[in-house]
Amino acid sequence: DQQVKQNSPSLSVQEGRISILNCDYTNSMFDYFLWYKKYPAEGPTFLISISSIKDKNEDGRFTVFLNKSAKHLSLHIVPSQPGDSAVYFCAATGFRADRGSTLGRLYFGRGTQLTVWP
Amino acid sequence: DSGVTQTPKHLITATGQRVTLRCSPRSGDLSVYWYQQSLDQGLQFLIQYYNGEERAKGNILERFSAQQFPDLHSELNLSSLELGDSALYFCASSVATGGTFRGSPTDTQYFGPGTRLTVL
Repeated sequence: DQQVKQNSPSLSVQEGRISILNCDYTNSMFDYFLWYKKYPAEGPTFLISISSIKDKNEDGRFTVFLNKSAKHLSLHIVPSQPGDSAVYFCAATGFRADRGSTLGRLYFGRGTQLTVWP
Repeated sequence: DSGVTQTPKHLITATGQRVTLRCSPRSGDLSVYWYQQSLDQGLQFLIQYYNGEERAKGNILERFSAQQFPDLHSELNLSSLELGDSALYFCASSVATGGTFRGSPTDTQYFGPGTRLTVL
């Protein structure tokens, strides 16, 4: 039961251009969303997050957009740099009907491999 | 460096064996989470501990167990290992129980480098 989906396993972008990574979710109880970046042989690194009370959050080159009605979020990286090449995971969490039983756990998408070429 | 440490980095063992993976959370973090990343499943939540107590269970097999000690480090025990248990196992930590997930930076989960388990 994949409640968070990243339908593009890979994305290739030229340096300096915008990278847009997409994520869809199915559970309407999710109210907090995160993006993690992962390099080979390392653990996921927190990148940026957004609460469901917002529709946009910006941190430097990274902006996350949330469309609650479409259950869709996206991560924009502008400008893209070769060092951004990594796997990007979308994650979601929130209260569920059985409140307290799974509080705090993250539901992850399967990741998108971003390659930024010079 | 996230501040979360995991040992060992690599573990190779045989089917039927038992192994213990160790995690030390970031200083000040009370919650520890365990995740499994396998090729076909992505990152799957296994179990969460908060200040020594089990808080939530995910897709954790009965052959697996975990605990969190008074010093807040955690161990994940995997027994009767099967070939399909080969995966990356990540530990993450955060300050809160997860009950205050309303956008506070203190609720973010920070991941360790992982332990790669290979079952032959």
